[in-house]
Amino acid sequence: DSGVTQTPKHLITATGQRVTLRCSPRSGDLSVYWYQQSLDQGLQFLIQYYNGEERAKGNILERFSAQQFPDLHSELNLSSLELGDSALYFCASSLGGPSYEQYFGPGTRLTVT
Amino acid sequence: AQKITQTQPGMFVQEKEAVTLDCTYDTSDQSYGLFWYKQPSSGEMIFLIYQGSYDEQNATEGRYSLNFQKARKSANLVISASQLGDSAMYFCAMREPIWGSNYKLTFGKGTLLTVNP
Repeated sequence: DSGVTQTPKHLITATGQRVTLRCSPRSGDLSVYWYQQSLDQGLQFLIQYYNGEERAKGNILERFSAQQFPDLHSELNLSSLELGDSALYFCASSLGGPSYEQYFGPGTRLTVT
Repeated sequence: AQKITQTQPGMFVQEKEAVTLDCTYDTSDQSYGLFWYKQPSSGEMIFLIYQGSYDEQNATEGRYSLNFQKARKSANLVISASQLGDSAMYFCAMREPIWGSNYKLTFGKGTLLTVNP
């Protein structure tokens, strides 16, 4: 158990809908990273938050947004969902300093029908 | 831009034998880090081992070791005494700086390892 929690574990929704994925980092970790794993794109970095502030963006679509709250949990919001958004979404956390490890949560498997 | 290449889409190994999973990388940075993660069929990403570019010794963690050849830009994972539970997808990843001392991970496409009894 990495100490990172993600809910829900599975999510099935229809095209055009909006969903919210939730992540709680390890105790003490200030950085949260979101990754998307799909069959065609592999594992890709989406966005990073550090202590409530957005710090870096990767290959994140404009339909996607995220935030990190004062208690350091993070939410990834996906809107106007398309079939191609079906993927496994991972949250990872790290201390945010000179730390070599990112600890991954179990992931949320999103299926868009 | 950094790039991770895993040339073996799938590998088979007999139980109790050793197996090497290949990873080559491309970077112009002098300071970088390389990771291996295991992803079983259940989907979670499990950290296995880390090698820093300035580490003089090859990293080892139990049955896992990393064969780091800096000049060749390779960071192969060696699993000794394979077990049935080692059957999984294995990803090589590189640490890429984002800002300050924070970084993102850039992943290879993975190698699916199957351990046969």
